[in-house]
Amino acid sequence: GENVEQHPSTLSVQEGDSAVIKCTYSDSASNYFPWYKQELGKRPQLIIDIRSNVGEKKDQRIAVTLNKTAKHFSLHITETQPEDSAVYFCAASEAAGNKLTFGGGTRVLVKP
Amino acid sequence: DAGVIQSPRHEVTEMGQEVTLRCKPISGHDYLFWYRQTMMRGLELLIYFNNNVPIDDSGMPEDRFSAKMPNASFSTLKIQPSEPRDSAVYFCASSWTGNQPQHFGDGTRLSIL
Repeated sequence: GENVEQHPSTLSVQEGDSAVIKCTYSDSASNYFPWYKQELGKRPQLIIDIRSNVGEKKDQRIAVTLNKTAKHFSLHITETQPEDSAVYFCAASEAAGNKLTFGGGTRVLVKP
Repeated sequence: DAGVIQSPRHEVTEMGQEVTLRCKPISGHDYLFWYRQTMMRGLELLIYFNNNVPIDDSGMPEDRFSAKMPNASFSTLKIQPSEPRDSAVYFCASSWTGNQPQHFGDGTRLSIL
């Protein structure tokens, strides 16, 4: 089955700096890659997603890039703010059906 | 839309007791997922349904776990008998169709003493 690796596990940045989280996946048939943000004690919330026919997608201060050849995708957060502090999860969807496999998560701390 | 609704929000029970977690998906969503989240194992998919039919239950830990979806607006996850290692946050999520975003409920925090 699919295996998703996520790095780093923790990330501390100064407010205003950029944060980058990287994920790799194993199943070349995966075609859907969402990113979720989870604040302490809350539910995971989708912040952005990308499909295999697109190399990059941007939404205000967040962007995702996808390299299908290398089987990796990344989340970029620019101009970080304290409210960006949370755990971020990447995920990949197998080609058949709608089954998501999640990475291990990255705890991001934005220091004011 | 009220989003995915889970109940109870918190459950504390003793080892050996039966536990039933409930989920109401977003109206019109055809897919329903049950996840378990722990510090050690992260977010794990337990089982998912399409149009009320279980499609993949390979993530269900063992026979003590069972899930049903009797209709499009209700699903249960049952643990019988419960054990302390079942302590976790259990999330339900739903999506409109294949490869569409999954929307999570607020979760049930389960503690087995």
